[in-house]
Amino acid sequence: DAEITQSPRHKITETGRQVTLACHQTWNHNNMFWYRQDLGHGLRLIHYSYGVQDTNKGEVSDGYSVSRSNTEDLPLTLESAASSQTSVYFCASSEVRGEKLFFGSGTQLSVL
Amino acid sequence: AQSVTQPDIHITVSEGASLELRCNYSYGATPYLFWYVQSPGQGLQLLLKYFSGDTLVQGIKGFEAEFKRSQSSFNLRKPSVHWSDAAEYFCAVGARLGQAGTALIFGKGTTLSVSS
Repeated sequence: DAEITQSPRHKITETGRQVTLACHQTWNHNNMFWYRQDLGHGLRLIHYSYGVQDTNKGEVSDGYSVSRSNTEDLPLTLESAASSQTSVYFCASSEVRGEKLFFGSGTQLSVL
Repeated sequence: AQSVTQPDIHITVSEGASLELRCNYSYGATPYLFWYVQSPGQGLQLLLKYFSGDTLVQGIKGFEAEFKRSQSSFNLRKPSVHWSDAAEYFCAVGARLGQAGTALIFGKGTTLSVSS
């Protein structure tokens, strides 16, 4: 069955370190998204991509970057991790823009 | 700017009682609207969606939602709640983001607790 997987499930890092969270989907979807989930804020869009070599900033993109070199993967990089980036990160994909999202199981990131 | 408001942060309902979770949106055009559910430690699962047509939409697990354009609302309902419905519920709108296209914008969520 097609799926979307995130790794690692849990990550602890120190402030200032570079961290990359992986997202891999086998749906063959062109559209991929990264959200962060924080108590009291719900899910907020970080970055998104509508295809290979396409990336766009969401509402909370500062301190994050993404790259899209193939259809299946959209890794999220924290260039210099900050404590404010402690959160649960969800990757998602969709077949059609603005329509149903398929979510991964999330990555819990703690920045100490 | 597009936005989604879920006025209730936390709701407690007795098992077997009816449920209504509120959602209001701000969007200039006809919106694409969604309800997602998240169980503890899990990702989000789609309950139902509205794109056009019949304003009352049916979803999985016995949920339904009604789109009311005049009230900019898309409330989620269930006639009889089960203990397994305890979870966090998110309303979302498919919104245009500048020239880059569209993505889903989520509300802050409503936590549902079910009492016996």
